[in-house]
Amino acid sequence: AQSVTQLGSHVSVSEGALVLLRCNYSSSVPPYLFWYVQYPNQGLQLLLKYTSAATLVKGINGFEAEFKKSETSFHLTKPSAHMSDAAEYFCAVSVIGGGSQGNLIFGKGTKLSVKP
Amino acid sequence: DTGVSQDPRHKITKRGQNVTFRCDPISEHNRLYWYRQTLGQGPEFLTYFQNEAQLEKSRLLSDRFSAERPKGSFSTLEIQRTEQGDSAMYLCASSLNQGALGEQYFGPGTRLTVT
Repeated sequence: AQSVTQLGSHVSVSEGALVLLRCNYSSSVPPYLFWYVQYPNQGLQLLLKYTSAATLVKGINGFEAEFKKSETSFHLTKPSAHMSDAAEYFCAVSVIGGGSQGNLIFGKGTKLSVKP
Repeated sequence: DTGVSQDPRHKITKRGQNVTFRCDPISEHNRLYWYRQTLGQGPEFLTYFQNEAQLEKSRLLSDRFSAERPKGSFSTLEIQRTEQGDSAMYLCASSLNQGALGEQYFGPGTRLTVT
């Protein structure tokens, strides 16, 4: 079975500061991992995904994430926060096996606030 | 590419009433997923279709819930005898058939409030 845990339900950074959103996963098979962003009253938009091709994954809007098997982590980072990055971010793992193919298990989300 | 659309965007209903939501996926996508998102939580998987076949249902999908995708295009999710605990955002997503690798594109959701 697969699962993800997001550490910190709320993260606040200053504009221009580093953004670090934490995600740890649990999986008995090599995982496929995703980061999604959700703006208020909108659906989810994919930021990036890890599918075992490369451990450092670059996504949209300057975000990237590094897959670390030894730490079972897939943390999301951005070197310099913009006001427009304020949103809720979800880490997800794709379910594999047991007849399931592709439905996602999401973490509880981390709400990012950016201070001017 | 018009994206995934959902209708209605908001629905307020009284406890005990039936409601139906519609999802129109991206036209070439043959997989369609339904998720439910309650306040402060991430989306939870409900069910998914490959073309018109419903291939998996979560234990969250009680007998009061039914989903269809009659011609492999749009899908409907019906909740019968709604309860206050059904209040949530219902999200639809679609993807190409790439198994666990497939990127899911989400619609804006239908927010259900049961009074």
